[in-house]
Amino acid sequence: QVQLQESGSGLVKPSETLSLTCTVSGGSFSSWYWSWIRQSPGKGLEWIAYIYNSGSTNYNPSLKSRATISMDTSKNQFSLQLSSVTAADTAVYYCARVMLHGGPLYYFDYWGQGTLVTVSS
Amino acid sequence: DIQVTQSPSSLSASVGDRVTITCRASQRISNYLNWYQQKPGKAPKLLIYAASSLQSGVPSRFSGSGSGTDFTLTISSLQPEDFATYYCQQTYSTPLTFGGGTKVEIK
Repeated sequence: QVQLQESGSGLVKPSETLSLTCTVSGGSFSSWYWSWIRQSPGKGLEWIAYIYNSGSTNYNPSLKSRATISMDTSKNQFSLQLSSVTAADTAVYYCARVMLHGGPLYYFDYWGQGTLVTVSS
Repeated sequence: DIQVTQSPSSLSASVGDRVTITCRASQRISNYLNWYQQKPGKAPKLLIYAASSLQSGVPSRFSGSGSGTDFTLTISSLQPEDFATYYCQQTYSTPLTFGGGTKVEIK
């Protein structure tokens, strides 16, 4: 059974960098795409980025190049850094596995429990 | 960006009711549409992928249909554990986008 667990700073000051890590267990890590998604309090879901072992990445342009996703296959981990944060970045951040079937046919089949990040001075 | 609009934003229903939730995309997305269920304090859970394929382990009372711009999630007989918020998601193009959610509440 695949399990994902987010970890990282729960409180970040405005203008600083948010850093989160997702640790994956129970399955092959390097064969999959991995993604970050966030959910602001009481709001809907926003896709942030995904990454593949080859280093291929894709980002949501709405984050205006503030986001960086990376992976460490030796540790079965992938990470998110979000720079220059503001209160608008306060959200629950989820990591998820991306199941691909080819072309645009893919979905998030395993999710972490989520971690709340609050941006406040 | 492709916008996905869900309706209604909330609904009240009773156990045993048939419930239908609609998702409309701002352009044609073939069948690249997924549905998720989210309960309070929990991560979303995949129910349906590719518009109509039931994810393994999901009860058969859940079904999806549609193609192009209009999609539907149907719960044939609402059960107590189905009271939750439901989201659709398009993967036709990035940025991947989610609908605003439909909260299913107890009548």
